[in-house]
Amino acid sequence: QSALTQPASVSGSPGQSITISCTGTSSDVGGYNYVSWYQQHPGKAPKLMIYDVSNRPSGVSNRFSGSKSGNTASLTISGLQAEDEADYYCSSYTSSSIVVFGGGTKLTVL
Amino acid sequence: QVQLVQSGAEVKKPGASVKVSCKASGYTFTSYDINWVRQATGQGLEWMGWMNPNSGNTGYAQKFQGRVTMTRNTSISTAYMELSSLRSEDTAVYYCARVYNAIDAFDIWGQGTMVTVSS
Repeated sequence: QSALTQPASVSGSPGQSITISCTGTSSDVGGYNYVSWYQQHPGKAPKLMIYDVSNRPSGVSNRFSGSKSGNTASLTISGLQAEDEADYYCSSYTSSSIVVFGGGTKLTVL
Repeated sequence: QVQLVQSGAEVKKPGASVKVSCKASGYTFTSYDINWVRQATGQGLEWMGWMNPNSGNTGYAQKFQGRVTMTRNTSISTAYMELSSLRSEDTAVYYCARVYNAIDAFDIWGQGTMVTVSS
């Protein structure tokens, strides 16, 4: 099972919006509404930001939103803040009953 | 509060085995699956497998089949991940994580356990 494809890096200025893509196949992203997004700061454990494509866990800012079209899922962060600078990973359930992660995207807040 | 607390860092020689523990508190241990994820330094997240603490059923990533064993002790709300035949490429931080939506969303993570494989 190949990893999902994410851009290596994205950047934006405070207050702007950015979108991170996560491309898979019909056997994972496209086949199930089980895409999650995680935020990871250096030296810390990942934090769940979005699950089931577009749901936010309690306590996660509504500046974070998720969507999916075909085999590509997206994470959008609006009103970018300095503390959003981190690595972001997508994951998806697959037809093999396993979980696969994306390679990760480093978000830089300029 | 709801948390997973993992055992401390390990240093192992190639060919040895390592067993990492993950103690749950603040919730009913048997109600949520536990998954294991690892991360080599500077690299991305890699899913290793899952375990249902109630039944003991497990599922492993093909890459780790035959080398990984996930178990639990429900009396002390603790999950374990044992990886055998260690090689240098297994050097990584190993995380346990609770599954929130019964499928794939990991809402609670352990603090991570650094496993170093070196001769």
